[in-house]
Amino acid sequence: NAGVTQTPKFRVLKTGQSMTLLCAQDMNHEYMYWYRQDPGMGLRLIHYSVGEGTTAKGEVPDGYNVSRLKKQNFLLGLESAAPSQTSVYFCASTRAGQGYEQYFGPGTRLTVT
Amino acid sequence: QQQVKQSPQSLIVQKGGISIINCAYENTAFDYFPWYQQFPGKGPALLIAIRPDVSEKKEGRFTISFNKSAKQFSLHIMDSQPGDSATYFCAASGGTGFQKLVFGTGTRLLVSP
Repeated sequence: NAGVTQTPKFRVLKTGQSMTLLCAQDMNHEYMYWYRQDPGMGLRLIHYSVGEGTTAKGEVPDGYNVSRLKKQNFLLGLESAAPSQTSVYFCASTRAGQGYEQYFGPGTRLTVT
Repeated sequence: QQQVKQSPQSLIVQKGGISIINCAYENTAFDYFPWYQQFPGKGPALLIAIRPDVSEKKEGRFTISFNKSAKQFSLHIMDSQPGDSATYFCAASGGTGFQKLVFGTGTRLLVSP
């Protein structure tokens, strides 16, 4: 039981490049989330999903897109990376109705130069 | 915008001392108040949580105190240990619609030996 896994662990991008971050969970959770963590700003919700095929915007969605084609996977895309997107990205998941108890992945450290 | 305000930003406590972290919220519709613990290089993990109909919850050395009228809650770590050194986030969930978490900005705790 791996829990929540994230790929890759580290990535360096040049401004304007694109990439996709992959999150996978093996707990059969309905809800999945993408956060970014920046010093002094806590965890901010980018996008979330309440089920396969559904996504919604969080607090800071600009510059990101997401897809949830399979229940166990949640993808975060950066179409044209900017230095402001340098951050640590966390994926989380939880059961329906248990939004307070989220299980987090180990994070992806992204640097945009 | 829903907010949870957390203080202090950082905290140094001697081994065996009491660590206290405070949070305040605005939205009275929040119905669950979890605390997350994050070690360097790891994702946050749920530590303890409380509902607003309870004034205190204790799990081992960790206690949440909740003041509904003041819209404040706090985490107390009794007999603090060097292994407790981590970043702590308060959060709130509930309100209208889907259960998302709103996080505080985090407190970096260092317990000195």
